[in-house]
Amino acid sequence: AQSVTQPDIHITVSEGASLELRCNYSYGATPYLFWYVQSPGQGLQLLLKYFSGDTLVQGIKGFEAEFKRSQSSFNLRKPSVHWSDAAEYFCAVGGGNFGNEKLTFGTGTRLTIIP
Amino acid sequence: DTGVSQDPRHKITKRGQNVTFRCDPISEHNRLYWYRQTLGQGPEFLTYFQNEAQLEKSRLLSDRFSAERPKGSFSTLEIQRTEQGDSAMYLCASSLGAGGAYNEQFFGPGTRLTVL
Repeated sequence: AQSVTQPDIHITVSEGASLELRCNYSYGATPYLFWYVQSPGQGLQLLLKYFSGDTLVQGIKGFEAEFKRSQSSFNLRKPSVHWSDAAEYFCAVGGGNFGNEKLTFGTGTRLTIIP
Repeated sequence: DTGVSQDPRHKITKRGQNVTFRCDPISEHNRLYWYRQTLGQGPEFLTYFQNEAQLEKSRLLSDRFSAERPKGSFSTLEIQRTEQGDSAMYLCASSLGAGGAYNEQFFGPGTRLTVL
C-alpha cells in the first residue's frame, strides 16, 4: 500500500530564509507526487506535481521540489520565504489505475514564519 | 469560474443523529472525491465518483456512511447514527478525469463536523 511520511510536524523559519520540507513516500511503481498547501479556512491548493521527466519541478508561489527515486523522497524547497507562506503543507502520492483516482497524504508540516 | 463549494461549512450535531453534506463540483468536472481530515492529520480518501458511478470506497467508509451522485453533478455524503469519532473536516474535490491523463483535483473549503 502506498504511504507518505512527513517527518517534520512543525517548522519555524525566519522571513527571507530558505525552506526545505521533507517528504518520503512508499509506492510500488513510478509515483505521482504532489505538494498541497492549506491555509486556515481555505481549501487545499496544489503547489506542484511530478509525474515523470525532469526530477526538479517548479510550482506556484516560487516553490520547487526534487524527486529522488533512490531516496524515495520529494522534498519541497523555497529559496526565500515570505510571511504569507505560513500554512500547513501536505505531500501526497497518487494511486489508482492512472495515479490520480485517489491521493494518499502525509500528516502535514505546519510552517511558521517569524519576522 | 466558481470553484468547488460545500454546504454547510460547519455542522454541530448530537451523537446518534444523522447528517448530510453537499458538494457542488466545478461544473464540467466528471470526477468527484470525498476525503476526511481529522485534527493533526492529512486528508484520507473516502470515495470517488466518475459521473454518477461510485468507483471506489475506502475501508474507512463504514456502513453508516453513504455517498451519492445521482445525476453526475452534485454529491451528498450522509452519516447515520453519528459518533464522536466522526468529528472531522469532510473535504470534497473534483477533477476532469480521463483514463491515462492526469487532471488536478480541486478542493472545496470543507465541512467541519462536530459530534457532541
